[in-house]
Amino acid sequence: DQQVKQNSPSLSVQEGRISILNCDYTNSMFDYFLWYKKYPAEGPTFLISISSIKDKNEDGRFTVFLNKSAKHLSLHIVPSQPGDSAVYFCAASKSLSGTYKYIFGTGTRLKVLA
Amino acid sequence: DADVTQTPRNRITKTGKRIMLECSQTKGHDRMYWYRQDPGLGLRLIYYSFDVKDINKGEISDGYSVSRQAQAKFSLSLESAIPNQTALYFCATSDFRGRNEQFFGPGTRLTVL
Repeated sequence: DQQVKQNSPSLSVQEGRISILNCDYTNSMFDYFLWYKKYPAEGPTFLISISSIKDKNEDGRFTVFLNKSAKHLSLHIVPSQPGDSAVYFCAASKSLSGTYKYIFGTGTRLKVLA
Repeated sequence: DADVTQTPRNRITKTGKRIMLECSQTKGHDRMYWYRQDPGLGLRLIYYSFDVKDINKGEISDGYSVSRQAQAKFSLSLESAIPNQTALYFCATSDFRGRNEQFFGPGTRLTVL
């Protein structure tokens, strides 16, 4: 049972436009969410996070939106740049458990076209 | 220098062989994790350790064992490798005092023939 789902395996966007990556989760106990970016032959690197007490978090070109009622989060990248081409994973955890174990989605491969 | 290192980076082995993947970190973090990545399945947690004396099973621990030799070192062993353990393996660390983010190593690509 996939608790965290990224239903789009790939996405192509023109340079300068907005990229929107989506993530859905099923467990209402998740209260902390993160996005990671992964380049080939490298490990994932942390991008941005959001706690369930917020509905939006922004860091430069990256904004994460959380809709708790829909159990949905999205990552917006504006403007998209060729260097953003990578695989993006969303992850969810139940921070109150104290374990901070993440459940990862399957990833979305973003390609930004120059 | 990388904060989280993994050795080897690539390994090809045969069914039934014992293999150890090693992870070292210089971040001073107390928590360490082992994940595997398979196409279409994302990253799945194998084992995690919150300190040298604390080892916990993750989602998919069967067929694996771990050893936390020191705060900075966390090894993953496959006692008798099988082909469906062919995957990309990542080690990660985190500090309880942070934003909960985990810092990943570069990965080990393991192929079991």
